[in-house]
Amino acid sequence: SAVISQKPSRDICQRGTSLTIQCQVDSQVTMMFWYRQQPGQSLTLIATANQGSEATYESGFVIDKFPISRPNLTFSTLTVSNMSPEDSSIYLCSDTTSGAMGDTQYFGPGTRLTVL
Amino acid sequence: QKEVEQDPGPLSVPEGAIVSLNCTYSNSAFQYFMWYRQYSRKGPELLMYTYSSGNKEDGRFTAQVDKSSKYISLFIRDSQPSDSATYLCAMSASFGNEKLTFGTGTRLTIIP
Repeated sequence: SAVISQKPSRDICQRGTSLTIQCQVDSQVTMMFWYRQQPGQSLTLIATANQGSEATYESGFVIDKFPISRPNLTFSTLTVSNMSPEDSSIYLCSDTTSGAMGDTQYFGPGTRLTVL
Repeated sequence: QKEVEQDPGPLSVPEGAIVSLNCTYSNSAFQYFMWYRQYSRKGPELLMYTYSSGNKEDGRFTAQVDKSSKYISLFIRDSQPSDSATYLCAMSASFGNEKLTFGTGTRLTIIP
């Protein structure tokens, strides 16, 4: 399976600012996914990012708040815009790569975001 | 009602015990069922997946799916302290490039 890295691993931000999270995969992948994991809650899909097209957002998530870029087959960014304390969460990217268990989703280590 | 329900625990068992982790779901379209393990401050790590109903075994881990009851289980035999983690069930209607729907995770501690 591909190795996925994320930057930053954690950050503490002020209300009203924006943070861009980077996700790098060590092989070319078609689809990448961005999830949010809030304390005590399930991982929730924010959007699906295909290279060369607009990201597809899940209900409750909008592009103005979570703009996503996918410039090539190994890289994606998620921006959390105009942050509030409610955005404090772990943000995870995943991809679908062929691994020992077939084509299923593998996750990066996550970015732990705290908004003050 | 959530699509996937999972007891958040915490669950503490002594080393060597058999652990049973469970999820129920409401969406009959789900066909693929996965278990992820997540250590503190790490991303989820895929443990096992199963398709439709039945059992699948991998070492000390056994995954069971009962689609008629919309119930899935993960059994851990001879539990070890290194198994202490949060276990997340996830499921989807198709495999691969498909949105996963997760349970909230069960926090498991194996006591030496």
